[in-house]
Amino acid sequence: GAVVSQHPSRVICKSGTSVKIECRSLDFQATTMFWYRQFPKQSLMLMATSNEGSKATYEQGVEKDKFLINHASLTLSTLTVTSAHPEDSSFYICSAIEGGRGVWAPLHFGNGTRLTVT
Amino acid sequence: EDKVVQSPLSLVVHEGDTVTLNCSYEVTNFRSLLWYKQEKKAPTFLFMLTSSGIEKKSGRLSSILDKKELSSILNITATQTGDSAIYLCAPFGQGGSEKLVFGKGTKLTVNP
Repeated sequence: GAVVSQHPSRVICKSGTSVKIECRSLDFQATTMFWYRQFPKQSLMLMATSNEGSKATYEQGVEKDKFLINHASLTLSTLTVTSAHPEDSSFYICSAIEGGRGVWAPLHFGNGTRLTVT
Repeated sequence: EDKVVQSPLSLVVHEGDTVTLNCSYEVTNFRSLLWYKQEKKAPTFLFMLTSSGIEKKSGRLSSILDKKELSSILNITATQTGDSAIYLCAPFGQGGSEKLVFGKGTKLTVNP
């Protein structure tokens, strides 16, 4: 079945540094990927929708200059947390639409990235 | 603004019990509703519902959509401790762009 691979699964960085998280669709082409953030004991909050070859669409309240999204190919989207601060510590998850198989819905998620900023 | 309300927020049952989880939604240009199960990491897909009144089943789990009432239910029969998880419902709509909006989830705890 379709698999979404997210890397790294866990990262610890110092305040002020940037961190890149990769999301890959392994056996399908993902024209659209979604990036979510999840705080402890809370639901997934959509941060942005990433479309291959175009600019990402950010949800209200999400700083696009801080959370840079690049979707340069049909199988890869990256989220870069720039100048990270401790309040950016969270669980980040990506999801991809399996549109190529005629199923227009995000059925699969990456395993998530636990970001800790010290 | 898209809204998703799940109830109950938390549920504790004993093994063998049957549970019904509820989801109501308001989404622009509704396309489908998805149910996920989240344990320790990322959510895993359970069901995608697009048509009203057609039940989808997978083992002890089943789900149905009511487009008129803008709601869906997820049933789990003969619950097991392994069913303990957070169950998330997410309507998928096409507003300015397609997006998946999650409810807060129902935390199910199944005790032996």
